[in-house]
Amino acid sequence: DVKVTQSSRYLVKRTGEKVFLECVQDMDHENMFWYRQDPGLGLRLIYFSYDVKMKEKGDIPEGYSVSREKKERFSLILESASTNQTSMYLCASSLMGHSGANVLTFGAGSRLTVL
Amino acid sequence: EDQVTQSPEALRLQEGESSSLNCSYTVSGLRGLFWYRQDPGKGPEFLFTLYSAGEEKEKERLKATLTKKESFLHITAPKPEDSATYLCAVQRDYKLSFGAGTTVTVRA
Repeated sequence: DVKVTQSSRYLVKRTGEKVFLECVQDMDHENMFWYRQDPGLGLRLIYFSYDVKMKEKGDIPEGYSVSREKKERFSLILESASTNQTSMYLCASSLMGHSGANVLTFGAGSRLTVL
Repeated sequence: EDQVTQSPEALRLQEGESSSLNCSYTVSGLRGLFWYRQDPGKGPEFLFTLYSAGEEKEKERLKATLTKKESFLHITAPKPEDSATYLCAVQRDYKLSFGAGTTVTVRA
């Protein structure tokens, strides 16, 4: 019954490495999101995609890029990982209902440690 | 800028001891207020959406209410399985802004 799958649960990378975080959803949702979650700060939006090949910056896009080549897949890329990108990364998808409410379905998260 | 503040940060309850969590918000053009539950090591799980002041929704031992400035999540006669972090979020346009959450621990 898995709906949003994040391929890597735990990653350890070194400073300067390129990091790919993959997310796949099987609900045919138009919208997909990447958040990071840090203690005391809540969830912060990194990037958002509302269609294939379309993306919008969230609140904290610096140091990140995204790719959405297929509707079901949304990738987060850290071009050159830094220690301040150590965090829990959460992918989510949604289908905007008639009410306009954006109910997100989240994956289990990817915990990234950058040494 | 949208702001969401949750209190308290942590709440320890005895089984059966009812309590409330608070979510204060500032947003222009609220399209919805959401409550999510997050268990350790997992992603948040959707609980409720509230759209307008005065609205209430219930699910088992949880009841969410909404005013123009805040929302409350009431937990009635909690059980240990209600232990989790509860997140509040507000929606403006497509974007959701989250609070930092309240971690609830219910002791048997």
